[in-house]
Amino acid sequence: AQSVTQLGSHVSVSEGALVLLRCNYSSSVPPYLFWYVQYPNQGLQLLLKYTSAATLVKGINGFEAEFKKSETSFHLTKPSAHMSDAAEYFCAVRQQAGTALIFGKGTTLSVSS
Amino acid sequence: SQTIHQWPATLVQPVGSPLSLECTVEGTSNPNLYWYRQAAGRGLQLLFYSVGIGQISSEVPQNLSASRPQDRQFILSSKKLLLSDSGFYLCAWSGGTSYNEQFFGPGTRLTVL
Repeated sequence: AQSVTQLGSHVSVSEGALVLLRCNYSSSVPPYLFWYVQYPNQGLQLLLKYTSAATLVKGINGFEAEFKKSETSFHLTKPSAHMSDAAEYFCAVRQQAGTALIFGKGTTLSVSS
Repeated sequence: SQTIHQWPATLVQPVGSPLSLECTVEGTSNPNLYWYRQAAGRGLQLLFYSVGIGQISSEVPQNLSASRPQDRQFILSSKKLLLSDSGFYLCAWSGGTSYNEQFFGPGTRLTVL
């Protein structure tokens, strides 16, 4: 069965620093992979998705993620953190269209000035 | 464009009382619909999903139930709430031209006292 592991439940960075949020997946077939962001007391918003096209995926708000099959990873990065990036981030996997997403436990990103 | 609504936004209920949360989707037809629960520090837990009217799959045995009386309406219910039912409930849909990702509603914050 597929699963997702997010390494680090809490990541703290300074404003302007690199953001790196880690996600590793387990899947027996090529997966569909997603990153979502959640602000307090709101629903989840899609940041970006990988669906077997380009391995480097660009999303909204300056985020990007690289699919690395050999490492079974899909880490989320942003070159320069903004205060507005402080939120909870979820990595998710889906093995085939129509099935529910499987989510990681989330990583809370804090950004300090 | 498609939108998803959830109500109420917040709810405080006593233990043993009934529950009804509603989710509706606009701008699409025959969506897949999902209910998730988010408890503090525990990520998102898939509760139910539905691929059509009257078709409900339960992921976790509990005192909650779901129904889909119309194509774009998904209801989460309970006959008697438990303290452990407190959490943030999220409805999501997938389908149409964006068949891979799921789109989330704004959520309902449920507190059981």
